[in-house]
Amino acid sequence: DVKVTQSSRYLVKRTGEKVFLECVQDMDHENMFWYRQDPGLGLRLIYFSYDVKMKEKGDIPEGYSVSREKKERFSLILESASTNQTSMYLCASSLRLDLGEFSYEQYFGPGTRLTVT
Amino acid sequence: AQSVTQLDSHVSVSEGTPVLLRCNYSSSYSPSLFWYVQHPNKGLQLLLKYTSAATLVKGINGFEAEFKKSETSFHLTKPSAHMSDAAEYFCVVTSGVAAGNKLTFGGGTRVLVKP
Repeated sequence: DVKVTQSSRYLVKRTGEKVFLECVQDMDHENMFWYRQDPGLGLRLIYFSYDVKMKEKGDIPEGYSVSREKKERFSLILESASTNQTSMYLCASSLRLDLGEFSYEQYFGPGTRLTVT
Repeated sequence: AQSVTQLDSHVSVSEGTPVLLRCNYSSSYSPSLFWYVQHPNKGLQLLLKYTSAATLVKGINGFEAEFKKSETSFHLTKPSAHMSDAAEYFCVVTSGVAAGNKLTFGGGTRVLVKP
């Protein structure tokens, strides 16, 4: 079974703090993703990565950065946390198929509920 | 451009009765469509996917969905609800490379199953 793990289930941080959210997958997937989930808005893509040291902006990258130094690990960084970043953060991974095509079936971690006070 | 609209934010059904979750999509290209389920305190799990093969797609746990291009819909159904179906469901669309290989999620439908 594919397993995607996230470093914390719940996190409480203060405004202005630098926050690191870690994600690790154990199935050798090339692609990794960070989403935030808010009620009524579904999941919105923050950043994704299709290879080590590669990153692409998603739909809402402002206020976030990412790091992918190893294939299995993808980190989301909030440089200076703000209250509007209080949310559920979900990490996902997927396989890259032959000829560079993406598998659109993504495997999700359990999420980190971040509260910024 | 791609988008997806889930027409009901909440659905309440009695155990043993049919479930219908409605989803409409917009895509400039031939889309791939998915339904994911999220049980409380769990990650999202793929229920089923449509990728331009059969228009009636069967998934796990007795769910199925029908792709209707003329109606731009991909509604999810189950003939008989079970208590374990209580969860949040997300309809998802992608136009593939044309959309930068990104998925777009609907707002979610929360299903309540009454005994």
